[in-house]
Amino acid sequence: ETVLTQSPGTLSLSPGERATLSCRASQSVSSNYLAWYQQKPGQAPRLLIYGASSRATGIPDRFSGSGSGTDFTLTISRLEPEDFAVYYCQQYGSSPLFTFGPGTKVDIK
Amino acid sequence: EVPLVESGGGLVKPGGSLRLSCVASGFPFSHAWMNWVRQAPGKGLEWVGRIKNGGTTDFAAPVKGRFTISREDSKSTVSLQMNSLKSEDTAVYYCVWEAPEGSFAHWGQGTLVTVSS
Repeated sequence: ETVLTQSPGTLSLSPGERATLSCRASQSVSSNYLAWYQQKPGQAPRLLIYGASSRATGIPDRFSGSGSGTDFTLTISRLEPEDFAVYYCQQYGSSPLFTFGPGTKVDIK
Repeated sequence: EVPLVESGGGLVKPGGSLRLSCVASGFPFSHAWMNWVRQAPGKGLEWVGRIKNGGTTDFAAPVKGRFTISREDSKSTVSLQMNSLKSEDTAVYYCVWEAPEGSFAHWGQGTLVTVSS
């Protein structure tokens, strides 16, 4: 079973700062089947990044994904007020079919 | 945007059953691979199961044997039948469209299921 670990658990930053979120897999994620989602309170998650580094439709270019194998990163270059949320990584393709990380909360410092 | 609208959530006693439905629009549903993802109160996301076009299903271990997924392409509807419900099944259940490359590209607004006596 592929287990995803996200760090840090909480990231306290100010608007305009750079956010770097980490996602580590217990085994290699096949073909970079790694996605990132943003979730705000009371809302459904929203796809940000798929294939480790491809931005989903309508996602601003301040969001970028990188990494391969077992280590992946989501970077928000300059935090906007609307970016304070919880971020989840997800792998797809390994057993079980889909697993999510526990999430990183980005809150206002 | 791919509208997905869930319904059917509510309060059910342990051991009981509930059926959730999700109506889709704006895309050729018969080709779609549809998933259910849940989120317990204050917790993270957990994949529940998937139905491919053609009807093949896969389930997460905690629900295998208790939950089934079906689809009715003529009505652009996917359903989650939940039997032998436990308190740990309490969650918001999201209907999700799986993009061809495997990510969860579109989500419904979710429906709350509460399992409690």
